[in-house]
This record gives sequence, structure tokens and C-alpha cells, in this order.
Amino acid sequence: EDQVTQSPEALRLQEGESSSLNCSYTVSGLRGLFWYRQDPGKGPEFLFTLYSAGEEKEKERLKATLTKKESFLHITAPKPEDSATYLCAVIRANQAGTALIFGKGTTLSVSS
Amino acid sequence: EPEVTQTPSHQVTQMGQEVILRCVPISNHLYFYWYRQILGQKVEFLVSFYNNEISEKSEIFDDQFSVERPDGSNFTLKIRSTKLEDSAMYFCASSELIPKGTFGSGTRLTVV
Repeated sequence: EDQVTQSPEALRLQEGESSSLNCSYTVSGLRGLFWYRQDPGKGPEFLFTLYSAGEEKEKERLKATLTKKESFLHITAPKPEDSATYLCAVIRANQAGTALIFGKGTTLSVSS
Repeated sequence: EPEVTQTPSHQVTQMGQEVILRCVPISNHLYFYWYRQILGQKVEFLVSFYNNEISEKSEIFDDQFSVERPDGSNFTLKIRSTKLEDSAMYFCASSELIPKGTFGSGTRLTVV
């Protein structure tokens, strides 16, 4: 069965304290891995797409990396406004290949 | 920046009643999706829609559910006879070729 597991479930950081979020996946043929940010009561907001092992993407304080079994979202010197739930999702390389399979997310709290 | 718009933001309905959730996707997008998120749980794929037909659907999307693109701008999700367990946030999304999805802010459906 295709699965996406994110860890930790919750993470508390001080402003400026860098850390990483993990997303491990088992899927029958990976077409793409996606990272989203979700604020309370809102829909997921797209951050990155990664397609192949070794690929990296960066945006401001965030950097996403991908291996054959997992992805990391590195947060460098976070600020309170980075507090949110970060979701990982994959798409299978099946015929349709349109369904995003989400993990439960990591809820990040950054205090000043 | 273009947005996906969902209405209503919150709907309360009696068990057994029909509900229609409405979405206006981004105008030049080709794929349309519905996802749901039960409180405290992961975002789950329901259905994707392309070229006026369903391209993929999950096990959740049973005969109770239907989707329609009644005109050139709207995309709807109908639940024929709501159950208590249908209470959730329902997110509409749209995308160009890469199914990363731009999500709307959601409709909170409460079945009483």
C-alpha cells in the first residue's frame, strides 16, 4: 500500500534555530514529491516539487531535498511567521497519476 | 495572483440532505480536483477531473458523490445523502499539466 509518513508530528523551535522535517514514502513508482504549507483553516499552499533523487529546491529559508526513500525540508534560521503545518505529498506514476497522497504533516511552532 | 475560490466557506446540513459545494478554478487550468480533510487527519484525495470527465477517483468517492463542470467557470461536488462522517473540510484545487494543485481555502461541511 502506498504510504507517506512525516516526522516529527510536532516541532517547537526558537527563532533562528535551524532544523529539518522528514517525509518518508513507499509508493509504486514515484512521479513527483510535493511540499505544501498549511495555515489553520486554510488550504495547502504549494512550496516545492521534486522529481528525482538528488534534486534540491530552495525558497527563502526553506530547502527541500529528495532521496529514493525520503525527502527533507530544511528550515534555516526560522522566524515566527514560518509557524504552520508542513505537508508532504506524492504522486504515483500510474496511468492517471493525478492523485496526491498526503502525509499527516509536521506542525511547526517558532517562538521569538 | 490567481486564486481558486470556494463557496460557501461553511455549510451546516441535516443528515440525509443533499449538498453542493462550489468552486471556481483558475481560468487557464486543465485539471480540477476535490480533496477532503477530516479534523485532525490527513488531506485525502477524492476525485480528479479533466476534459469534462473523471480521470481518477478514490475509494471514498462512491455513488453518493458526483462532480460536474456545469459551465466554463464552475466546478461542483455534490453529496447526495449526507452522513455524519462526511463532516470535513472540502478543498477544491486546479492545476495545469503538473498536478501540484493550487488549493482553495475550503468549505467546512458540518453534518448534524
